[in-house]
Amino acid sequence: EVQLVESGGGLIQPGGSLRLSCAASGFTVSSNYMSWVRQAPGKGLEWVSVIYSGGSTYYADSVKGRFTISRDNSKNTLYLQMNSLRAEDTAVYYCAGMLRSFDYWGQGTLVTVSS
Amino acid sequence: QSALTQPPSVSGSPGQSVTISCTGTSSDVGSYNRVSWYQQPPGTAPKLMIYEVSNRPSGVPDRFSGSKSGNTASLTISGLQAEDEADYYCSSYTSSSTWVFGGGTKLTVL
Repeated sequence: EVQLVESGGGLIQPGGSLRLSCAASGFTVSSNYMSWVRQAPGKGLEWVSVIYSGGSTYYADSVKGRFTISRDNSKNTLYLQMNSLRAEDTAVYYCAGMLRSFDYWGQGTLVTVSS
Repeated sequence: QSALTQPPSVSGSPGQSVTISCTGTSSDVGSYNRVSWYQQPPGTAPKLMIYEVSNRPSGVPDRFSGSKSGNTASLTISGLQAEDEADYYCSSYTSSSTWVFGGGTKLTVL
């Protein structure tokens, strides 16, 4: 059974930094595509970033230059380093394991950017 | 990176069929068969319902079907049931090697 467990969310002031983690079991992070998807309160899904199996990374324009996706193959864990956080980054952040599309989802971790 | 266009809401009575559209461009939906659909009941994580335009993962009822024509993909739910009430999102791969979601459609079962 595939399990993705996000952690690291919380309340952070504007301009601050946060690192989210996504621990995977039953799914190999290094040999599959992995994405972060976020959902602002009461809003729709927004794709944030992907890391492909070969290591290439891509970002939504809204986070490019501020967020960095990475993985630790030894820990089978995905990360999202978020810098220069803004109020509009407030959302539930989901990690997603990708086989054919966004096949597997975690339960999400809430990031609130507020002073 | 503009979101794909979905109707904000659709509704239908139990037993009826509803179709949700998802319109993109020639840089995403129109050029790739990597279109997928997700169901999200309130307070839960999204669930994959359709991948690669028209394929159902194991466990998804065959009442759910997908199709694509040009820049528009569609999700059809036949034999509506109360449990189908949820938000539905489409997604597509893009020519920039990125991904994009639709704005979401709220399905109400009357």
